[in-house]
Amino acid sequence: KNEVEQSPQNLTAQEGEFITINCSYSVGISALHWLQQHPGGGIVSLFMLSSGKKKHGRLIATINIQEKHSSLHITASHPRDSAVYICAVSGTGNQFYFGTGTSLTVIP
Amino acid sequence: EPEVTQTPSHQVTQMGQEVILRCVPISNHLYFYWYRQILGQKVEFLVSFYNNEISEKSEIFDDQFSVERPDGSNFTLKIRSTKLEDSAMYFCASSPTRNEQFFGPGTRLTVL
Repeated sequence: KNEVEQSPQNLTAQEGEFITINCSYSVGISALHWLQQHPGGGIVSLFMLSSGKKKHGRLIATINIQEKHSSLHITASHPRDSAVYICAVSGTGNQFYFGTGTSLTVIP
Repeated sequence: EPEVTQTPSHQVTQMGQEVILRCVPISNHLYFYWYRQILGQKVEFLVSFYNNEISEKSEIFDDQFSVERPDGSNFTLKIRSTKLEDSAMYFCASSPTRNEQFFGPGTRLTVL
C-alpha cells in the first residue's frame, strides 16, 4: 500500500519553465513535507506545512487538507533545481510516510 | 549552522555481522529518527525516538534492529546480524519539534 503518491515520476523541463509536482496522501497527517534529494544522496527539507501555502524564493508549496493533496511549484526553473523531490507526511503518531519521489531534470 | 552528522559515511560488512551506525543530532533537539533507502527505492521510516524511548517503529524495525542514545549526544542504530537486504543508505534525522526534520548526510551500508 502507498500512503503517499506522487506525480509525475520523472519530469524534464527547459530552463525557465514553471514546474508543478503533485502529491496525494491517504492517511491522517499532522504535517506534510517537501524534501529535495541531490544525486549525492543528501536530503534537505524544503517545506513543512499543515495548511495553506508557503513560499521560499522560487519555490511554492500548497496543501489542501480536505482533498489530501499538495503541490510543489518551481518558478523560473534552473538546471541547479535538478534533483529528486520527495513528498512525505508525518502521521498522527510519530511516523513518517514517503512518496517515491519525482526526478526533475532542467535542461539549459 | 548546526547540522546532523553521521559516521561512517560508508560501511562494508559481511553477512551475519553486527553493525552500529552513529549519528550526532543537533544539540537541543528532542526527537530523533532513523530512515533507510534501498538503492533506487523510496525512503522508508524505521523508528522515532523521544524522551529516551522508541515512540514509533515501522514493520521493518524488527528484533534485528535497536536504537540507543548512550551518552546524551550520540544516537545509534544497531543491526545485530546483517542480511544482504540490509544494504541501503541509512539516514538519521533530528528535530526540536515533532514534525520538523533535519537530515544527516547518510551512511551507506553494504552487506557482502
